Amino acid sequence: EPEVTQTPSHQVTQMGQEVILRCVPISNHLYFYWYRQILGQKVEFLVSFYNNEISEKSEIFDDQFSVERPDGSNFTLKIRSTKLEDSAMYFCASRGQGRNIQYFGAGTRLSVL
Amino acid sequence: AQSVTQLGSHVSVSEGALVLLRCNYSSSVPPYLFWYVQYPNQGLQLLLKYTTGATLVKGINGFEAEFKKSETSFHLTKPSAHMSDAAEYFCAVSDRGTNAGKSTFGDGTTLTVKP
Repeated sequence: EPEVTQTPSHQVTQMGQEVILRCVPISNHLYFYWYRQILGQKVEFLVSFYNNEISEKSEIFDDQFSVERPDGSNFTLKIRSTKLEDSAMYFCASRGQGRNIQYFGAGTRLSVL
Repeated sequence: AQSVTQLGSHVSVSEGALVLLRCNYSSSVPPYLFWYVQYPNQGLQLLLKYTTGATLVKGINGFEAEFKKSETSFHLTKPSAHMSDAAEYFCAVSDRGTNAGKSTFGDGTTLTVKP
């Protein structure tokens, strides 16, 4: 069964450093999403991406965040200058045309020290 | 704006007992509804979903949920709890008919199963 793949599974970085979280969505999907889950809290929407542009973003998704689909297969989330409070599990999801079921990856745990 | 309320952040049941996890939503039109399970340090696994049709939906691992429009509820049940059901459960909703399709999650319910 096709699945959404996220790498790395765990990323450790120093405060102020840039990080790129990578996702490979399901191959024929057209809608892509990033969510965040701070430890012990609920899953929060960050951004959705369709047709090579952001279609919606939350207030969490400030200027420090950006997304890109650089090569037609990967979907990345970049945090320019990480803060301690960026430590969380980040989930990528993708969805096919006309189907409102998102498939989630296993997540990347980001630890900012 | 949509919202999801999961009543009870922690639910504890005995093995073999009924599991009932509550979810109520607020939305201008009936949304798509989902239940996810998350085991420690793992990702989100879709348990079941309601999009259209029969209001009682069956999912994996013996779970089912019933969409009740009049009560704006989508409670998750399982007749007999198993130790392996211990996990975090999230109810989520997403809009119908929009291209964005983002999901809004509830705060989650931690299910503990006692032997």
